[in-house]
Amino acid sequence: AQSVTQLGSHVSVSEGALVLLRCNYSSSVPPYLFWYVQYPNQGLQLLLKYTSAATLVKGINGFEAEFKKSETSFHLTKPSAHMSDAAEYFCAVSEGNTGFQKLVFGTGTRLLVSP
Amino acid sequence: NAGVTQTPKFQVLKTGQSMTLQCAQDMNHEYMSWYRQDPGMGLRLIHYSVGAGITDQGEVPNGYNVSRSTTEDFPLRLLSAAPSQTSVYFCASSSPGQGTYGYTFGSGTRLTVV
Repeated sequence: AQSVTQLGSHVSVSEGALVLLRCNYSSSVPPYLFWYVQYPNQGLQLLLKYTSAATLVKGINGFEAEFKKSETSFHLTKPSAHMSDAAEYFCAVSEGNTGFQKLVFGTGTRLLVSP
Repeated sequence: NAGVTQTPKFQVLKTGQSMTLQCAQDMNHEYMSWYRQDPGMGLRLIHYSVGAGITDQGEVPNGYNVSRSTTEDFPLRLLSAAPSQTSVYFCASSSPGQGTYGYTFGSGTRLTVV
């Protein structure tokens, strides 16, 4: 069965510092991987996705993630944090692209950005 | 460009009451699904539908019913609310082959059962 592990329920950074949010997955087949962002009292917004093309994926708002098969990881990074990046981030995995694909989510990481 | 619309945004129920959470999408997506979000647990799939008249259970279906009479609508029914159903509920839609693009989520319904 698929699963996603997000290390750290809370990550705190200073404005301008590097953001690193960790995600490890398990999947029996090549996965599709996603990062979603949730701002307070809002729904989930797709940040970026990996679908077996380039292993380095660039998303919105300056975020990127690298798929590392050997490490079964898909960590999210941003070189310089902004106050507006404060939100909860969810990593998710699905298997393939045939039929309905159930998304399996990690437990989320809340990013706190201090001035 | 409404996308996925959920109503109501907030609801308080007493234990044992019933209610329906509404979800509508205007993107002609075949697939629709309901997730619940609980602190420290991420989002978990409740029920999903691959087309009108077709529904199936997800990870946590107990206490919930769904139906899909049209492509646009996918209501979630709580037959007898329990405090354990206090949660934030999200509806999502997608199309075949769109799995690579993720889902489109609604803005959520925050339900409290007292």
